[in-house]
Amino acid sequence: GENVEQHPSTLSVQEGDSAVIKCTYSDSASNYFPWYKQELGKRPQLIIDIRSNVGEKKDQRIAVTLNKTAKHFSLHITETQPEDSAVYFCAASITGNQFYFGTGTSLTVIP
Amino acid sequence: GAVVSQHPSWVICKSGTSVKIECRSLDFQATTMFWYRQFPKQSLMLMATSNEGSKATYEQGVEKDKFLINHASLTLSTLTVTSAHPEDSSFYICSQLAGGETQYFGPGTRLLVL
Repeated sequence: GENVEQHPSTLSVQEGDSAVIKCTYSDSASNYFPWYKQELGKRPQLIIDIRSNVGEKKDQRIAVTLNKTAKHFSLHITETQPEDSAVYFCAASITGNQFYFGTGTSLTVIP
Repeated sequence: GAVVSQHPSWVICKSGTSVKIECRSLDFQATTMFWYRQFPKQSLMLMATSNEGSKATYEQGVEKDKFLINHASLTLSTLTVTSAHPEDSSFYICSQLAGGETQYFGPGTRLLVL
């Protein structure tokens, strides 16, 4: 089955700096890669996603890049703010059939 | 986005009892629902995929007789943890697909087995 690895497990940045979280996947058939933000005790929320026919997608301060050949994708958050502090999960899926999550990155934005 | 509810949000039970968790879609019909388990400070582990009107597909290592899933309608899926033990204590989250691949999560159910 699919194996998704995520790095780093913890990340601290100063407010205003950028944060980058990286994930790799093993199943070349995976074609949908969402990113979720989960605050303590709450449900995961989709923040951005990318499909395998696209190399990059941006939504305001958040961007995701995908390298299908290398089987890795990354989340980029620019101009970080304290409210960006949360745990971020990447996931890989084959057209919505099962979602396999990375191990999570705890992001802390220091004011 | 789609609204998914879960009930109960918190449950404490004695070892050996069974606990049923409900997952409802409030504003759409979901043919596919997922059940996850999340231990403290860990990732979401997919337990099973639930399809309306058919048997659930369980992930490797998840006991289907231990975690009974029923997806009787397009708006309701239930997970029953049978003969719960302390090691079953966890955060159980359901999710539903809406619009193809977009996944909407329920608020989760915290289970504590004493």
